[in-house]
Parts: sequence; C-alpha cells; structure tokens
Amino acid sequence: NAGVTQTPKFRVLKTGQSMTLLCAQDMNHEYMYWYRQDPGMGLRLIHYSVGEGTTAKGEVPDGYNVSRLKKQNFLLGLESAAPSQTSVYFCASRSPPGGNIQYFGAGTRLSVL
Amino acid sequence: GQSLEQPSEVTAVEGAIVQINCTYQTSGFYGLSWYQQHDGGAPTFLSYNALDGLEETGRFSSFLSRSDSYGYLLLQELQMKDSASYFCAVSPSGGSYIPTFGRGTSLIVHP
Repeated sequence: NAGVTQTPKFRVLKTGQSMTLLCAQDMNHEYMYWYRQDPGMGLRLIHYSVGEGTTAKGEVPDGYNVSRLKKQNFLLGLESAAPSQTSVYFCASRSPPGGNIQYFGAGTRLSVL
Repeated sequence: GQSLEQPSEVTAVEGAIVQINCTYQTSGFYGLSWYQQHDGGAPTFLSYNALDGLEETGRFSSFLSRSDSYGYLLLQELQMKDSASYFCAVSPSGGSYIPTFGRGTSLIVHP
C-alpha cells in the first residue's frame, strides 16, 4: 500500500544541469499535481494533470516541464536548473472526481548550487 | 482567483484548546480543507467542510461559514505531537479540481 512515491528524496545539482523527478501513485487516481514549497510560501502549484496524456500549467510553471505518459506516473523535468529552483517538491494525487482529499508524496529536497 | 489568509504562528500549552483561522476571498468553491504537515514531512489530510457548520474528527474539528468567508480548525486536548504546520485550502467550483492553499500556520505546543 505505497500510495504516492517520489524519487529521488534528495538531490544536489549545479546550475545548468538537468534532472527529472518521478512521481508514482498506485491508487488509480486521475488527477496528479506537482508543487514546490518554500519557507513562508505554502504550497505553490507548478503543473498538474487531469488524466493520462494531459498536462496543464499551474501558478509557477516557468523553468519546468511535465509528462504523464502513463496514468500512474507524473514526471517533473528541469531542463536547466537555476538556484531559484532550490526548494522542496511535492507530488500529489487526488481521489476520483468529487473526492476532496489530496494524497502527497514524501517530497524531494533539491538544492541547486 | 482565490486567496487565503492564515496567521503565521500560533502557540499554546499542552492540554489546551487552540483555534486556527482561515479567511478567504474566492468567487466560488466547493469546500474548505485542512492539512497537517510536520517538519520534514508531507502534508496529510485532516478534514473537509463542504457545508456550513462544524465537522468533528476526534480531537480535531473544522468549521465553515460561507456567508462570512471564514473557517477555522479547532484542536482540543493539545499534545506535543500536534506541533506542526496547518494549511487551509479551497477547492474551486467549476472545471478542474485545482485547490489553492494558504501559506500555513505554524503551531507550537509547549509543555
């Protein structure tokens, strides 16, 4: 009963490097989300997906790309990392339409030097 | 759009009752949710109010008043383990479920 799993848990990048964060959920949820959390800023939505093959921009999408090729996976990519992208990244999925609970992964702590 | 306001920090002593308020500005929404997050952990769902009034879940209760654009989370019989951040979130009506979160309230429980 894994729920929402994020990999990796920690990562340090140099400015300009690229990486992909993986989110996997085993609850057959349609909706998936990527958030970033910075001190005093709460959770800010980067991108989201309402189903396999669909993605949409959230509040802070610049510098990030996403893909949802399979229903259970939602990938977040950083093509050219910048120090401003140092943050904690959370993935979440939502119970079926009409449900009101988001389930969050444990987070990925990313530092860009 | 939506915006939510919460106090940044609340302190209380073990065994006491504390209320964390959330005021919002939104054009329409399905309901108000509350999440708890311990340091270094993931947010976890606590409660949801779709209708006005009080929802009770053990030591935690949540309240919503749509006419006042206001809600709160009430924590009773505080324990040290309740020290965490608490976020309110609104679920907008119409279209996709894209919730908006408040900036969170840090609750510090003292012995």
